[in-house]
Amino acid sequence: IQLTQSPSSLSASVGDRVTITCRASQDISSYLAWYQQKPGKAPELLIYGASTLQSGVPSRFSGSGSGTDFTLTISSLQPEDFATYYCQQLNSYPSTFGQGTKLEIK
Amino acid sequence: QVQLVQSGAEVKKPGASVKVSCKASGYSVTNYYLHWVRQAPGQGLEWMGIINPSAGSTSYAQKFRGRVTMTRDTSTNTVYMELSSLRSDDTAVYYCAREGGSGNLWYFDPWGQGTLVTVSS
Repeated sequence: IQLTQSPSSLSASVGDRVTITCRASQDISSYLAWYQQKPGKAPELLIYGASTLQSGVPSRFSGSGSGTDFTLTISSLQPEDFATYYCQQLNSYPSTFGQGTKLEIK
Repeated sequence: QVQLVQSGAEVKKPGASVKVSCKASGYSVTNYYLHWVRQAPGQGLEWMGIINPSAGSTSYAQKFRGRVTMTRDTSTNTVYMELSSLRSDDTAVYYCAREGGSGNLWYFDPWGQGTLVTVSS
């Protein structure tokens, strides 16, 4: 199953609302997770089951979608949110990841 | 505190093998499946395979079959990933990650800190 994220990169300012999309090549129901990765660090789980916020993750992060189309939204960007974001499908093996979206400061 | 701690960076020559360890703390490794994911420099995340540490059973991505072996040592709460016949394009950071969740709420969390494997002559 291929996952296509868009955009590949994004420039935004602190306080902006940002949306990243992830499209699956076939129906994956809600078997989708989102991760944040900062340079030199391991990915960190943000959202699973397409819309369930991981414990400890700020509420400005939200996820939606099912089937083939999914979104990750950050309602008001904070300085610590500038990172790369990946979606992952867990519907079937091999588990696959999107190519990533790099969120940069404008 | 649930944590996965990986072994240190490795430098290997082409054709050699590398074995990376992933030690679990804060829980019994036999209670959760463990995955291995790698990331080449400046690239995205690539799933390599999964091990059921309780049974020792494994499933590997087709790309790595024949070159990768995932094992576990329940006495030390540690899982291992060995990759053989190394090539320069195997240069990457290798992560272990615990599978969690149930129903349709699956995810990888936590992740190990990563192990850089450099393949160079």
